Amino acid sequence: NAGVMQNPRHLVRRRGQEARLRCSPMKGHSHVYWYRQLPEEGLKFMVYLQKENIIDESGMPKERFSAEFPKEGPSILRIQQVVRGDSAAYFCASSPQGGVYEQYFGPGTRLTVT
Amino acid sequence: GENVEQHPSTLSVQEGDSAVIKCTYSDSASNYFPWYKQELGKRPQLIIDIRSNVGEKKDQRIAVTLNKTAKHFSLHITETQPEDSAVYFCVAFSTSGTYKYIFGTGTRLKVLA
Repeated sequence: NAGVMQNPRHLVRRRGQEARLRCSPMKGHSHVYWYRQLPEEGLKFMVYLQKENIIDESGMPKERFSAEFPKEGPSILRIQQVVRGDSAAYFCASSPQGGVYEQYFGPGTRLTVT
Repeated sequence: GENVEQHPSTLSVQEGDSAVIKCTYSDSASNYFPWYKQELGKRPQLIIDIRSNVGEKKDQRIAVTLNKTAKHFSLHITETQPEDSAVYFCVAFSTSGTYKYIFGTGTRLKVLA
């Protein structure tokens, strides 16, 4: 059973470009969570999605950031017009349903904005 | 909002000694407390967890204690080894809330050989 997959693992973007990060949950999991880890800091919750639904986006910056989890395909975290402060590791996690204890983390995407 | 405080931020111990990391959470609805170990450039790895219906759990050299009244929980590593060197994060989670993990700020543990 493959674990949570994220791609790309490393992404370099120039200021003003768009970044698209993908997350494929574990097989049988329909709930996805995105977290951001700034250098030397802990992980911060960004958004929680079910298939075709955003359940909680209280951690998402109000502008430039969006997330989706379509019926088919991976979850996408999209950052428009990236700035240097967006440089971070972005981790997604998945669970089979909401309200369960364990979330399984992917390997992360390290975004560098030059 | 929900918050988890973690101390210390850095910890150096001699190989074979014990290490203790402490966390305090604010959301009284939290009922699940996992601990993660993160090595440089890697994903967080679950090392032990405890649910609110127990006060202590042990797995070989690692133990976790929980005091729900005080909203404190702690990680204890005994007989530390150099490979225990990493950043450790505590997490508070509520199955009746918004299902998001609230991470502590991390403890960088260095085990000196």
